[in-house]
Amino acid sequence: AQRVTQPEKLLSVFKGAPVELKCNYSYSGSPELFWYVQYSRQRLQLLLRHISRESIKGFTADLNKGETSFHLKKPFAQEEDSAMYYCALSNTGRRALTFGSGTRLQVQP
Amino acid sequence: DAGVIQSPRHEVTEMGQEVTLRCKPISGHDYLFWYRQTMMRGLELLIYFNNNVPIDDSGMPEDRFSAKMPNASFSTLKIQPSEPRDSAVYFCASSLLGQGRGGELFFGEGSRLTVL
Repeated sequence: AQRVTQPEKLLSVFKGAPVELKCNYSYSGSPELFWYVQYSRQRLQLLLRHISRESIKGFTADLNKGETSFHLKKPFAQEEDSAMYYCALSNTGRRALTFGSGTRLQVQP
Repeated sequence: DAGVIQSPRHEVTEMGQEVTLRCKPISGHDYLFWYRQTMMRGLELLIYFNNNVPIDDSGMPEDRFSAKMPNASFSTLKIQPSEPRDSAVYFCASSLLGQGRGGELFFGEGSRLTVL
C-alpha cells in the first residue's frame, strides 16, 4: 500500500528564514510526487511536481529514493507563503493521488 | 472555464438526514475525484471515476456513502443517513489524461458539511 507522511502539522518561521516541509512516502514501485498548496480562501492547487524539476515561487523539492523523501524547501520564506501544504503521490496505472495529512506553514513578520 | 464547480458551498443538517453534494467538472476532463478533508486525517480519497465509470471506491467509508456520475458534466456524492462524524469539507477534483501519469488535479472550492 502506498502512504504519504507529513510529520509536522504546523511549521512556524519568521520572514526571511529558510523553510523545509518534510514529506516521506512508502511505495514499492516508481512513484510520482507532487506538492499541492491551499492558500487562505483559495482552491487547492498544484505547486510543483518532481518530474518537472522546477522551482515555483522559490520552492524546490528533490525526490530522494534512498530516503523515500520529497521535502519542500525555500531559502527565504515570505509572508505570502503562509498556507496549507500537501505532499501527494501517484503510481502507475492509478490516476488518483494519495495525499499526506498536510502541514500548515505560518510565516511571521 | 469557471473551473470545477461544487454545490452547496455550505450545508448544515441534522443527524439522520440525507445529504447530496454536487460537482461539475472542467469540460473535457475525463477523470473525476471525490476527496474528504478533516483536521485529523487531511485529504482522503473517497472514489474516482474515469469516463463516468467508477474505478476505485475503496475509500468510501461505508454503505451510507454513494456516488454517481450520470454524465461527463455532473457527479453527486450522497450520504444517507448522515452522522456527526461525517462533518468535513468534501472536495471534487477533475483531471485530463495525458498530463503526466498522475495528472494535475483541479479542485473545486469544496462543500463544508456540518452534521449536528
